[in-house]
Amino acid sequence: QQQVKQSPQSLIVQKGGISIINCAYENTAFDYFPWYQQFPGKGPALLIAIRPDVSEKKEGRFTISFNKSAKQFSLHIMDSQPGDSATYFCAASLSGNTPLVFGKGTRLSVIA
Amino acid sequence: DAGVIQSPRHEVTEMGQEVTLRCKLISGHNSLFWYRQTMMRGLELLIYFNNNVPIDDSGMPEDRFSAKMPNASFSTLKIQPSEPRDSAVYFCASSFRQGGTGELFFGEGSRLTVL
Repeated sequence: QQQVKQSPQSLIVQKGGISIINCAYENTAFDYFPWYQQFPGKGPALLIAIRPDVSEKKEGRFTISFNKSAKQFSLHIMDSQPGDSATYFCAASLSGNTPLVFGKGTRLSVIA
Repeated sequence: DAGVIQSPRHEVTEMGQEVTLRCKLISGHNSLFWYRQTMMRGLELLIYFNNNVPIDDSGMPEDRFSAKMPNASFSTLKIQPSEPRDSAVYFCASSFRQGGTGELFFGEGSRLTVL
């Protein structure tokens, strides 16, 4: 069963545009929602994370929007740059010692 | 401080051979995770340890897979015998967990090809 569904699978965005990646989760007990960024040949690395007590979190050009009632959250990359080209994974977990459940990833290409 | 270190980075082997992947955790971290990444299935959790103790191995696909933590800083993932469908990138990740979730720090992965 897939507990975190991510879309789209791939995304092409013009430089300077907005990249939007969406995730939906099933387990209402999840209370930690990070996004990881992976460059080719590297392991994923934490980009930004949110907890359900807020609806939005912004760090530089990256923003997470969270909709608890819809069980959805999304990553917005403003002013997308070619250096943002990577695979992005959403994830979810329960606070405590439960491991992260990852979405299948979105391959983002930002073209000049 | 060095990050999570995995070896080998690339392994090509023939079906039926034994494969051992190695992982050195970040010093001070107390949780260790093994993930497998494929195009079809994304990142799948195979097994994780807290304080050297295996907590959940339900993601290990078959008895051919085994993982150990002989000490607090080192882990191995063994596949015996290997099969072509085991071809994937295997990641280990470590974290420091004290209450909350803790950020996962991934190694650069071991790309396994079984012919």
